Amino acid sequence: AQRVTQPEKLLSVFKGAPVELKCNYSYSGSPELFWYVQYSRQRLQLLLRHISRESIKGFTADLNKGETSFHLKKPFAQEEDSAMYYCALSGGGSNYQLIWGAGTKLIIKP
Amino acid sequence: DSGVTQTPKHLITATGQRVTLRCSPRSGDLSVYWYQQSLDQGLQFLIQYYNGEERAKGNILERFSAQQFPDLHSELNLSSLELGDSALYFCASSKSTRNEQFFGPGTRLTVL
Repeated sequence: AQRVTQPEKLLSVFKGAPVELKCNYSYSGSPELFWYVQYSRQRLQLLLRHISRESIKGFTADLNKGETSFHLKKPFAQEEDSAMYYCALSGGGSNYQLIWGAGTKLIIKP
Repeated sequence: DSGVTQTPKHLITATGQRVTLRCSPRSGDLSVYWYQQSLDQGLQFLIQYYNGEERAKGNILERFSAQQFPDLHSELNLSSLELGDSALYFCASSKSTRNEQFFGPGTRLTVL
């Protein structure tokens, strides 16, 4: 079954500390993985997609097919990074439906 | 600005009532998705339409229905409202050949 797991509901780190938000997936084919961010109950915004292999706002994420993971990392957290982060998976096909993780609330303490 | 618009921004109504939420996708996007976001349940996928046809159903209650019109805007109808239906309802759209979804600002529904 296709599934996205974000094991941490809440993650709290100090400003300047490294951040890693975990995302594990279950999918039999070659998925496309995404990270979306939602600031303070605003609309969700795409943060990263694995095929673009870029760094946005200092965040990076590498698809590890062996570990079926797509963890989101940032070396030095900033207070403005406080938000809700969702990992999502697309298996392609005709529906283009994303399978969403439950989300991780990231709190950056000053 | 992602280009997806939703109206109204806020809606306050009473239990048992019926409401309609509206979504206009980005120009050129054929797929529309509806999501419910509540404090205790996170982001829940409700339903997807592609070029006017229903394509996928998620955790959508029978009291809820949706449609996508020829001009590609979509409406989500919620009937026999209950207190537990209070939530943020998001619409998202995507192009037919890409998987990236662009979200609207949401409609905050409060059922009293």
